[in-house]
Amino acid sequence: QQPVQSPQAVILREGEDAVINCSSSKALYSVHWYRQKHGEAPVFLMILLKGGEQKGHEKISASFNEKKQQSSLYLTASQLSYSGTYFCGTENYGGSQGNLIFGKGTKLSVKP
Amino acid sequence: NAGVTQTPKFQVLKTGQSMTLQCAQDMNHEYMSWYRQDPGMGLRLIHYSVGAGITDQGEVPNGYNVSRSTTEDFPLRLLSAAPSQTSVYFCASSSGRGTGINQPQHFGDGTRLSIL
Repeated sequence: QQPVQSPQAVILREGEDAVINCSSSKALYSVHWYRQKHGEAPVFLMILLKGGEQKGHEKISASFNEKKQQSSLYLTASQLSYSGTYFCGTENYGGSQGNLIFGKGTKLSVKP
Repeated sequence: NAGVTQTPKFQVLKTGQSMTLQCAQDMNHEYMSWYRQDPGMGLRLIHYSVGAGITDQGEVPNGYNVSRSTTEDFPLRLLSAAPSQTSVYFCASSSGRGTGINQPQHFGDGTRLSIL
């Protein structure tokens, strides 16, 4: 079952913050976050494996609420290079091993 | 270190033709997957494999076949191409410890396929 991402699109000015949400109808084993620029392959940002765990990558961090079956990606003090489409991918408990399903993506545009 | 290599990068087919998209990885990863990407639909899982000789269906498997005879290679076959299969196809691989994909997925550069 495809996870649901929100918002679908967001426009920011440089230096502003953004939050992208990802929710699943099934219990989650892991949540992955990737960023894709136009015409390129998705690039790995981070994986969250434990409930409530928060991980960081420069000014990008994420949280994982296992009980709520949700994850959020936080982008602080956004830079022009953050523009792209962000995807969450989920692997569900009870599903087949090695089965990573992605949401439809959130398009982020950072303006000068 | 080449990572995940997909060939060809571009292909145009006529309806009804068959072809094989190639994917090879040199990282000794157990997990390999094929995704298709269409505007507004995100990445949809076609087929995946957790090791040589083991494959399973993803979200949108109809019209596609896969096999995994070696750890390195995971080809995707279109049996009888249809215009609805026009898309960008990505192959990905990852390692895993224990259960599940707990390591990053590495994506190939993609194959842009048009079916006329």
